[in-house]
Amino acid sequence: AQSVAQPEDQVNVAEGNPLTVKCTYSVSGNPYLFWYVQYPNRGLQFLLKYITGDNLVKGSYGFEAEFNKSQTSFHLKKPSALVSDSALYFCAVRAFTGGGNKLTFGTGTQLKVEL
Amino acid sequence: NAGVTQTPKFQVLKTGQSMTLQCAQDMNHEYMSWYRQDPGMGLRLIHYSVGAGITDQGEVPNGYNVSRSTTEDFPLRLLSAAPSQTSVYFCASRAAGANVLTFGAGSRLTVL
Repeated sequence: AQSVAQPEDQVNVAEGNPLTVKCTYSVSGNPYLFWYVQYPNRGLQFLLKYITGDNLVKGSYGFEAEFNKSQTSFHLKKPSALVSDSALYFCAVRAFTGGGNKLTFGTGTQLKVEL
Repeated sequence: NAGVTQTPKFQVLKTGQSMTLQCAQDMNHEYMSWYRQDPGMGLRLIHYSVGAGITDQGEVPNGYNVSRSTTEDFPLRLLSAAPSQTSVYFCASRAAGANVLTFGAGSRLTVL
């Protein structure tokens, strides 16, 4: 069975500082990995994905994530946080092969960026 | 281009009542799915469909029925609502072979 862990329920960071939202995963074989963001009272929006290739992937709004196969991690990062980045962030995984059509989400990390 | 449209946005039910959450997409996506979102539990897959006439169970299917008679629509039915089904429900879709889901805005259901 595939699973995703987001160990932090909430991350607080000052505007202008770098941010990291952590994600580790478990899946049979190679993974598809995703980050989605949810603003209040809205549906989830896609941020970025790792399928294959370069371990550092860049996405929307200046976010990036690094795939680390040995540590089974896919942490989300941004060099300089904005107050407008405050939202709920979800990591998700799907098996590259044999995973069917099931995308498994983590429990979410609330990011709060303060002035 | 409306994307994924969910109705209603809010609904209050009494235990034992039935209702249908509607989901429609205008992107000709083959894959559609329903998730529920609960605090501390993230999103959990209820049911999904890879095309018209084909549905399958997700992680938490009990108490829910689905059907897929057209490519555009994927309704979620609660036959006898229970308080444990109080949640926010999201419909999501993607094209066959694609990897990124497009989500609806959600439907907040309260069962008293």
